[in-house]
Amino acid sequence: DADVTQTPRNRITKTGKRIMLECSQTKGHDRMYWYRQDPGLGLRLIYYSFDVKDINKGEISDGYSVSRQAQAKFSLSLESAIPNQTALYFCATSDWIPAGGNYNEQFFGPGTRLTVL
Amino acid sequence: AQTVTQSQPEMSVQEAETVTLSCTYDTSESDYYLFWYKQPPSRQMILVIRQEAYKQQNATENRFSVNFQKAAKSFSLKISDSQLGDAAMYFCAYRDAYSGAGSYQLTFGKGTKLSVIP
Repeated sequence: DADVTQTPRNRITKTGKRIMLECSQTKGHDRMYWYRQDPGLGLRLIYYSFDVKDINKGEISDGYSVSRQAQAKFSLSLESAIPNQTALYFCATSDWIPAGGNYNEQFFGPGTRLTVL
Repeated sequence: AQTVTQSQPEMSVQEAETVTLSCTYDTSESDYYLFWYKQPPSRQMILVIRQEAYKQQNATENRFSVNFQKAAKSFSLKISDSQLGDAAMYFCAYRDAYSGAGSYQLTFGKGTKLSVIP
């Protein structure tokens, strides 16, 4: 089974609709992230969470909100979707070992392709 | 803020040949990590190779190796004996080693699309 899962994998919605993207992980990591990928722009950070009580805005948080329901679950919401939020969305998780030499690499989910009409 | 630049939007290589993808970055930090991720058509982000700035030796993973030039802030990826399965988008990414109250976020380049010609 995949360590980081995202649901749905694909979603088409209409302008103004509320939509939630969900992420679950079985890696036991405290840190979780939501990224957005647009063609030609790479991945950009939307929100990140260090633990259930610690949620922070990333580079492009406007128009999005998140909820960390448990260590293993981190949801991204679009309160009122608009067409320029059409993108590929990735959830990622990482461990955090502060000592030097620890890569604390991020593990990505399979992505959710969202289309807003 | 840190930036990552991939100057080659697209590249192609003949099967079994060697190709090098370029990446430069800008940072004022002395310790950090660099990564190359592969994104095949399945869109899964797959970590290919990683490098810590304090390590002098270039990282190697099977057919993948890097040329890390810290002074030049350059981190290129070399793929040897290219295979059809290497065709993908490749992203270079940077992360601070110690970001204090920061996110430990990854800063990505815009990617290089690699095609492998049979």
